[in-house]
Formats: sequence, C-alpha cells, structure tokens
Amino acid sequence: GESVGLHLPTLSVQEGDNSIINCAYSNSASDYFIWYKQESGKGPQFIIDIRSNMDKRQGQRVTVLLNKTVKHLSLQIAATQPGDSAVYFCAENGGSNYKLTFGKGTLLTVNP
Amino acid sequence: NAGVTQTPKFQVLKTGQSMTLQCAQDMNHEYMSWYRQDPGMGLRLIHYSVGAGITDQGEVPNGYNVSRSTTEDFPLRLLSAAPSQTSVYFCASRSPRGFHPTDTQYFGPGTRLTVL
Repeated sequence: GESVGLHLPTLSVQEGDNSIINCAYSNSASDYFIWYKQESGKGPQFIIDIRSNMDKRQGQRVTVLLNKTVKHLSLQIAATQPGDSAVYFCAENGGSNYKLTFGKGTLLTVNP
Repeated sequence: NAGVTQTPKFQVLKTGQSMTLQCAQDMNHEYMSWYRQDPGMGLRLIHYSVGAGITDQGEVPNGYNVSRSTTEDFPLRLLSAAPSQTSVYFCASRSPRGFHPTDTQYFGPGTRLTVL
C-alpha cells in the first residue's frame, strides 16, 4: 500500500502470478478513482477507473475494487507479465471535477 | 495525433533564472494541467485550466505561473527558479471538463528540471 517518505512500497511477483496493489485514500468526498501505471522515464498511463457507486470494475487483465467503508482501493493484475513492471499510482478526485490527488505509488517488479 | 507534447525534455537552471516549460496537445481537449513529481512521491497538481482564458491553482502553485491563450497550449512559467523546484514536470490533458468513467487523462512525457 501507499506510505509516506522517500521509499516506495514494493511488490515483487513471479511472472504468471496475480498481483494485488493496495491504496488507502483519505478524502471521504472522493467519488472517482483512477489507477495509473508509470514506466521508468515516462509519463503516467491510465489503466482503469471506478466511480463510488460501484465496488468493482474489470478491464483487460485488471480489476479495481473499491471499499468505501474503509477508504481502500486495490488493483488486481491477473497473470502478471514482465511488461507490467512499473510504478502504480492510485488517484482520487476529492469530489472535484477538476483535481486529482495522487498516492505515492507502489513499485511492482515481475520476475521472469 | 501527437497527443501531449512537452519541451524541453531536460533543463538545468541556476537559482534565480526564469524559464517556460512548454506543453501542447492536439486532441482539442478543454482541460489541461501541470503536475510535479518528486522522488518517492506521487504527482502534485500545480495549476490547471478548464478552457482557453481560464486557469486555477492546484495543490502547489507557489513559484509558478500559467496562462491559456489557446486550447492547444498551456505553458508553465518559473519566474525565479529555486532549488526546491528541481523535479520532473508533467503536463496532462483530457476532455470533457468533468471526470467521467469513459474519459482518459493523457500525460506528456515529462520535463526533468534541475535548479542549481
């Protein structure tokens, strides 16, 4: 999950395993959440999003789960591949239509 | 479409110098924004714009100015650079103005700025 400080939380998995990346958000007014993937030296890339009227949303090999009771968001990646190695950020909108607040990221490393 | 482009990719400044980071998008997006990313931290919103002629402050606006004279361009200006502004800067755009499950925010490749 997310944490303060300079050191990113890390998750190391074997190729083919499922990965779960967690995020705790802080603003109870947030009604929109996004997961981004950032590869080294590149800008963040949209993965999947979810609105607060849903608790689960699925994409291609990815699933986002939202638990509003405990303000927790997770990203599940099925059959993780080496190309999934990156830093993953969650973001919340704080109820705004224009602003996103990002978490500090989790570094996912996929071992072949 | 080129998407979101940023120039320069790298820049080194001395304390007190000024410069402009350029951002352009060719997707006719109304909403554009600037973020900074520091080591071990997520992105923090500096300024954003919901359309030409309209700008507003984000989470960390101090030391930065923006303007939006056209839909395509959203430059970020540092009037007097400080070492605390050493960071990687990302520009992003999206449409429509509000967040929508089918909407996607596109990020540029970033500008890595070092202030000595």
